Amino acid sequence: NAGVTQTPKFQVLKTGQSMTLQCAQDMNHNSMYWYRQDPGMGLRLIYYSASEGTTDKGEVPNGYNVSRLNKREFSLRLESAAPSQTSVYFCASSEAPGGTGFYEQYFGPGTRLTVT
Amino acid sequence: TQLLEQSPQFLSIQEGENLTVYCNSSSVFSSLQWYRQEPGEGPVLLVTVVTGGEVKKLKRLTFQFGDARKDSSLHITAAQPGDTGLYLCAGGSIIQGAQKLVFGQGTRLTINP
Repeated sequence: NAGVTQTPKFQVLKTGQSMTLQCAQDMNHNSMYWYRQDPGMGLRLIYYSASEGTTDKGEVPNGYNVSRLNKREFSLRLESAAPSQTSVYFCASSEAPGGTGFYEQYFGPGTRLTVT
Repeated sequence: TQLLEQSPQFLSIQEGENLTVYCNSSSVFSSLQWYRQEPGEGPVLLVTVVTGGEVKKLKRLTFQFGDARKDSSLHITAAQPGDTGLYLCAGGSIIQGAQKLVFGQGTRLTINP
């Protein structure tokens, strides 16, 4: 199993350009997540999808859109990139929580995005 | 807005020493997870604690969840160079069928041989 895969690994954009970050998981997980990681700020949730067909905003959704294409794939789109969106982006997946159980989130290797 | 404060943010110690990393919040969480992240990779789960006062051990690492489920600590005994990495705590809540995590800023740990 590949786990969680992300493409591309690196990307440089000019201000105003658009791009889509791709994420796929092969663990048959219901829930998927997009985070950004900035120095000194840990990971912050951008959007999440509890199950196929649903998406919801996280802590920092402004400037982003998402699509849960099917159970495996969850993409993140930057419509008009800004320098403030320079960051490392991580996709993660997990089982849907049941009862009081909390499940591990499995993270991809990240996409390093620079907006100039 | 739920916040998690981790301290210290940076820690550099000699091999064999003990250390404790703290994770504090004013909010109550249903669970507290600790992740470790290597350079160029995504975080990997170390442990999940869900009960107030719970203590879990993973070899030389001891994790504790506060009685009020607002704080947690990670204690490493006899640190080894292989323990070097970024340690992240994350408070968990179940909202609208999803497991949402709020992460602390991270503690960058360096163990010198």
